[in-house]
This record gives sequence, C-alpha cells and structure tokens, in this order.
Amino acid sequence: AQTVTQSQPEMSVQEAETVTLSCTYDTSESDYYLFWYKQPPSRQMILVIRQEAYKQQNATENRFSVNFQKAAKSFSLKISDSQLGDAAMYFCAYRGPQGGSEKLVFGKGMKLTVNP
Amino acid sequence: SAVISQKPSRDICQRGTSLTIQCQVDSQVTMMFWYRQQPGQSLTLIATANQGSEATYESGFVIDKFPISRPNLTFSTLTVSNMSPEDSSIYLCSVREGGYTFGSGTRLTVV
Repeated sequence: AQTVTQSQPEMSVQEAETVTLSCTYDTSESDYYLFWYKQPPSRQMILVIRQEAYKQQNATENRFSVNFQKAAKSFSLKISDSQLGDAAMYFCAYRGPQGGSEKLVFGKGMKLTVNP
Repeated sequence: SAVISQKPSRDICQRGTSLTIQCQVDSQVTMMFWYRQQPGQSLTLIATANQGSEATYESGFVIDKFPISRPNLTFSTLTVSNMSPEDSSIYLCSVREGGYTFGSGTRLTVV
C-alpha cells in the first residue's frame, strides 16, 4: 500500500524567511500525483500545490514551490518570504495513476509556526 | 474548481444517537469522498460515494456505522450512527475537481 511520511511534526520560521517542509512516499507506480494541502485553524483544507509525476519540471505557485525527486520518492515544499498567514498544518498527499483508485493518501501533517 | 457547502459546521451529540452530515457541490461530480480527521491526526478516508451505486468503504469502516447516500451528482450525506466519544472528530467531504476540493468540515463532539 502507498504510504506518505512527514517526519517533522513541527517547524517554525521567521516572517520573510524561507522554510522547507519534507515529505517522502512509497509507491510502485510510475505515474501518480502529489499534493500539498494547508489546513489553518478554520480546518478548511486548501490546495497549495500539485505535481504530476510524469512532469520533470517542479511545480511553482507564487511563493510556493516543490522539489520533486522521483527516484528518491521525495516531495518537499518550499515556502519563500513566509507570511503570518502561512501558519497552519501542512499535509502531503499522494494519489495513484489515472484509471486506478482516486483516493488521496495523506501524511501525518506538520504544524508550521511563523514568528513575527 | 468546485465549491462545496458542508453542514452542519459543528455539533455536540449524545452518545448512542446519530448525526447526518450533508455536502452539496455546485457542479455535477462523479465521485465524492468522505474523510475522518481525529483530534490532532491526519485525514483518513472512510468511503468513496458514486451516484447510483453502493459506497465503497475502506478497511476499518462499515456501512452500518457510516451509511452514505448519494442520490444525485451534486449531493451526498454521511451518517455517523450509534455514536460514542471515540467518534469525536472532524468529518470532511471532498471531490476530485479542482485538485481535490474539500468541504469546510464538520466538527463532531460526542458526550
């Protein structure tokens, strides 16, 4: 079964600094999708960024970018110019290939604190 | 992307009772997913609901405890039956559209 591991339960960063959140996963598939979600105290799950495994180029969304290392099965999220509003739980998630199960498998999450 | 309206947003229930959670999507979707998030934990899939067929439950979740309805392509309900304090969690629905959009969650407390 696919598993997603977020080994750091908590991190903190100074406002305006850069922080990297780590995620590793285990799969035997060659085609799959990876996601980072943000969950603020409001508990709304917000999609931050997604990556298709067949794409070699790392996804970028404004201040958020990923470092996708397919061979190492690593999918880290970099947040640049951290803002107070970035404080939240962050979850890494995996989805298998098209035509297979469409469910998301989540890591345990990581709590990010942003210090002013 | 889809917009999901989930309700209730929170409830406090007596043990032994049942609660039905509703999710309404602003567009037609094939699959809807129901997740449970226990306090301080990650999200765990309960079941996948397709319109016109029985929901598919994940290991550890059974239909008698978590019956699901999916009467059309925009609506689904999850019932938490015969509740105990261990059912106190956040329950979220989700659709694949929009890179997997989630409802705002239902915070359930069982006393």
